[in-house]
Amino acid sequence: GEDVEQSLFLSVREGDSSVINCTYTDSSSTYLYWYKQEPGAGLQLLTYIFSNMDMKQDQRLTVLLNKKDKHLSLRIADTQTGDSAIYFCAESIKDYKLSFGAGTTVTVRA
Amino acid sequence: SAVISQKPSRDICQRGTSLTIQCQVDSQVTMMFWYRQQPGQSLTLIATANQGSEATYESGFVIDKFPISRPNLTFSTLTVSNMSPEDSSIYLCSAGLTGNSYEQYFGPGTRLTVT
Repeated sequence: GEDVEQSLFLSVREGDSSVINCTYTDSSSTYLYWYKQEPGAGLQLLTYIFSNMDMKQDQRLTVLLNKKDKHLSLRIADTQTGDSAIYFCAESIKDYKLSFGAGTTVTVRA
Repeated sequence: SAVISQKPSRDICQRGTSLTIQCQVDSQVTMMFWYRQQPGQSLTLIATANQGSEATYESGFVIDKFPISRPNLTFSTLTVSNMSPEDSSIYLCSAGLTGNSYEQYFGPGTRLTVT
């Protein structure tokens, strides 16, 4: 079956870069995703990457994909207090369905 | 992108009752899904809401407990039936853009507490 794993917590100093890591198991995943969930809110689609790409950059966000190792990472440059949230990694499985990791709680300290 | 709204945003319900959650998308979409997020947990897919036909349920979820309607390409409902405290969760709908169903957006969620 599908399984997405990510570390549960990350603490980072304001202004530093954050790197959130994720591993997945389904080698047939077409797309991989990063979602952000702030307290009491729904999920915000941050970015997603097609499985034949190695990297995608969007302003402060950089996604790296190592398909061989089934490893996905999200780098947030110049982390701000507004970046404090839970970040979910997800992979597409069949029929456009998504399988989510447990989420990484990112805490930005001054 | 797609803007998705859900009603109600939260509710407190008595055990044994049912609650219907509405999901509205601001544009026509092919794919709509319903997820559950139990307290402090990740998201679990309940079902795919199919327009014009019965929903497709994931393992562990059944139509009698979670009936779903999808009358058109912008709207879906999820009913949580005969509720128990274990049903206390956030229920989220999502939609994939027409033209790229892999680009998926979520509604703000419905926070359900069953007492």
